[in-house]
Amino acid sequence: DGGITQSPKYLFRKEGQNVTLSCEQNLNHDAMYWYRQDPGQGLRLIYYSQIVNDFQKGDIAEGYSVSREKKESFPLTVTSAQKNPTAFYLCASTPTLMGNEQFFGPGTRLTVL
Amino acid sequence: GENVEQHPSTLSVQEGDSAVIKCTYSDSASNYFPWYKQELGKGPQLIIDIRSNVGEKKDQRIAVTLNKTAKHFSLHITETQPEDSAVYFCAASIDDYKLSFGAGTTVTVRA
Repeated sequence: DGGITQSPKYLFRKEGQNVTLSCEQNLNHDAMYWYRQDPGQGLRLIYYSQIVNDFQKGDIAEGYSVSREKKESFPLTVTSAQKNPTAFYLCASTPTLMGNEQFFGPGTRLTVL
Repeated sequence: GENVEQHPSTLSVQEGDSAVIKCTYSDSASNYFPWYKQELGKGPQLIIDIRSNVGEKKDQRIAVTLNKTAKHFSLHITETQPEDSAVYFCAASIDDYKLSFGAGTTVTVRA
């Protein structure tokens, strides 16, 4: 089956620890995205990547970092510098950066205790 | 940047009735307007989209209308069914990749 996988579905971390969220796609899509979703708010763009070894900051990149070493993978690290990291994180991909539907993964709910 | 407002935040309808969700956007250069449906615990899924050169688009029970002059667009769901219960998000984009999302509408279809 083709699609986007995010793991784990639920993640708990202690305050001050960095944590990495996984996103893998087997759709052969070029572009990948990370969004953050908070209750009562829309999705906000954290980072996006058009191609391997290239990525750009979105609207709320502070406290986050990403890498794109493989086309299939776009992991997101939530660092201790992120002031309010508890949220639902969604990964998405499109065949190219422009002109296509964004396909979303099932999301990871991160809770920082 | 683009600002998208979505109303109402919650909507309860009787099964079989219609549901309408409205969104306004701020940047007149926006030219792509998708609607996503998100079921509990899942990622959003595109249900319909429209581009600025089209005023209306329909897909079975779902339709979207766009008023560029007023900078608003709406989602219409007819003959609602229990499986239509979900959170719906509108979005707007100038260049397709950087979507600005509304805050979402929780739709509940009462049997």
